[in-house]
Amino acid sequence: EAQVTQNPRYLITVTGKKLTVTCSQNMNHEYMSWYRQDPGLGLRQIYYSMNVEVTDKGDVPEGYKVSRKEKRNFPLILESPSPNQTSLYFCASWGSGSLGDTGELFFGEGSRLTVL
Amino acid sequence: AQSVAQPEDQVNVAEGNPLTVKCTYSVSGNPYLFWYVQYPNRGLQFLLKYITGDNLVKGSYGFEAEFNKSQTSFHLKKPSALVSDSALYFCAVRDKDGSQGNLIFGKGTKLSVKP
Repeated sequence: EAQVTQNPRYLITVTGKKLTVTCSQNMNHEYMSWYRQDPGLGLRQIYYSMNVEVTDKGDVPEGYKVSRKEKRNFPLILESPSPNQTSLYFCASWGSGSLGDTGELFFGEGSRLTVL
Repeated sequence: AQSVAQPEDQVNVAEGNPLTVKCTYSVSGNPYLFWYVQYPNRGLQFLLKYITGDNLVKGSYGFEAEFNKSQTSFHLKKPSALVSDSALYFCAVRDKDGSQGNLIFGKGTKLSVKP
């Protein structure tokens, strides 16, 4: 089954404690992206990756890091989380991959992060 | 810079009536346009897309959207709404000739269908 898997789904942490949200896709997609969803603001792109070792900033990259060492994985790293990073995070992938290029994004189920 | 506007935060429709969820966009080149739906506590699901060709695009669950280049719009429509269509709907755009990674979403429109 084609899917994007994020972990953890729910996390409560404290300010300054480094955390990583993992994202993995099994469709051999070139492109992957992280979005955060906040009420009234919709989905805002944090970072995206065009392929292994190729990443670029989205609209709201401050406070986040990413890496793309393998094609299937695209972790989101919060080196020193702050309360304004409390949000719902989505990972997505798309591209030609094993399903052909449908143009659509495949989303994970979301990771709800609370920073106290 | 590309952008997407969904002018209505919420749309209320009676079951059986037609529905429209509005979307306008701005890109420097030719657009790729998408609609996604989000049900409570779920990720986003693809509904339909416009890449090229016929301006009227048909998608999942009976939804369709019309690409209007002169009005830079891509409104989502359904002839007869169902209560189960109640969800959050997002329009998204990408510049066809720009970075394929840079897909921009609107703020979302909450659709509420009453019995």
